[in-house]
Amino acid sequence: DIQMTQSPTSLAASVGESVTITCLASEDIYGSLVWYQQKPGKSPQLLIYGATILEDGIPSRFSGSGSDTQYSLKINSLQPEDFASYYCQNGLSTPRTFGAGTKLELK
Amino acid sequence: EVKLLESGGGLVQPGGSMRLSCAASGFTFTDFYMNWIRQPAGKAPEWLGFIRNKANGYTTEYNPSVKGRFTISRDNTQNMLYLQMNTLRAEDTATYYCATDNNWGFDYWGQGVMVTVSS
Repeated sequence: DIQMTQSPTSLAASVGESVTITCLASEDIYGSLVWYQQKPGKSPQLLIYGATILEDGIPSRFSGSGSDTQYSLKINSLQPEDFASYYCQNGLSTPRTFGAGTKLELK
Repeated sequence: EVKLLESGGGLVQPGGSMRLSCAASGFTFTDFYMNWIRQPAGKAPEWLGFIRNKANGYTTEYNPSVKGRFTISRDNTQNMLYLQMNTLRAEDTATYYCATDNNWGFDYWGQGVMVTVSS
């Protein structure tokens, strides 16, 4: 199985700041990386797939980058609604595996 | 509008069985792979498996963590997805989601249904 390691586990930031979350795959996933946002009590929401492709309706302040085994999610100019948990996911092969998550909290 | 609605959760004793259902609407059901994903409280999601679309013969794949205990099926006449869970353990306690597949990940999710395995 491909292991997905996210960092940091938690992150505190203020409205208006920019943050970056990283995800390291245990082997090359050839850009097949997916990012989700999850708010408390809600289902995860797909943000980015194919490492860089923004899902329809997702604000452009979210962006993804990376290749091979290393990937990042950047959120520019944090808005109040962005404080949530974020997960990466291996989209290359089954079993589809998730990172342990990053909780983004308001400073 | 894509809608997915899970049902069938609740409390079950260890060693017991449970079948979850997912009612799908708003899209051509037979065109899509359908997934089951679970998430224990406070933890990351875990992909359980999928059932492929009509073009790929409705075959299944499972996470090794549940293979042999869990079975995914679909009723394409009713736009329904199912998860049959057998020999349930305490560690199967989680919220269970059905989700559509965009070939990379999961683009539409249901609201989830809770399953608690406890005596």
